[in-house]
Amino acid sequence: DTAVSQTPKYLVTQMGNDKSIKCEQNLGHDTMYWYKQDSKKFLKIMFSYNNKELIINETVPNRFSPKSPDKAHLNLHINSLELGDSAVYFCASSQGRDSPRAFFGQGTRLTVV
Amino acid sequence: KQEVTQIPAALSVPEGENLVLNCSFTDSAIYNLQWFRQDPGKGLTSLLLIQSSQREQTSGRLNASLDKSSGRSTLYIAASQPGDSATYLCAVKGNTDKLIFGTGTRLQVFP
Repeated sequence: DTAVSQTPKYLVTQMGNDKSIKCEQNLGHDTMYWYKQDSKKFLKIMFSYNNKELIINETVPNRFSPKSPDKAHLNLHINSLELGDSAVYFCASSQGRDSPRAFFGQGTRLTVV
Repeated sequence: KQEVTQIPAALSVPEGENLVLNCSFTDSAIYNLQWFRQDPGKGLTSLLLIQSSQREQTSGRLNASLDKSSGRSTLYIAASQPGDSATYLCAVKGNTDKLIFGTGTRLQVFP
């Protein structure tokens, strides 16, 4: 069983569209994250949720809206997509601050044309 | 503000060599440090994690050390193999429960 799964794996869409990326973890973790990896392969955190509550929001444009229906899911909705949103988006989970290890999904490669 | 840097940015070596990848961080107040491996088009796989109170961790041919006071960690890969080719990322966790990633080292081991 996949621990952290994201869908879709690839997403190609036009500028201005709205799209969502889904993430689910079956590890029973309390904390989930979204990270963005840019074209230079630099990974940076976007959001962190703990038990469905927003903990970290790293100066991300408000076109990005995470939604956590329960602690096993953290979806990322993006409005009015721009060319600069093209990147690989990774979902991750951990058992919170006191858990040493973070588990990452396979990533969603978003291409905005 | 925590900044994490990895040297070298890229490395190409013949099979069998012992390798050292370096990671440095500017704020020594970390909770732990993690080394990840990323294969092209794939996610991140956690290799080793060192808690702030630890000096090193070992897993098979991999050994990671941590010198928190000087803001440095090294990942040692013994007897490198072509299957080790990947990008290696280090990441530190502070008290804000987020990972701050380094710039990565792209490793290629050729037969």
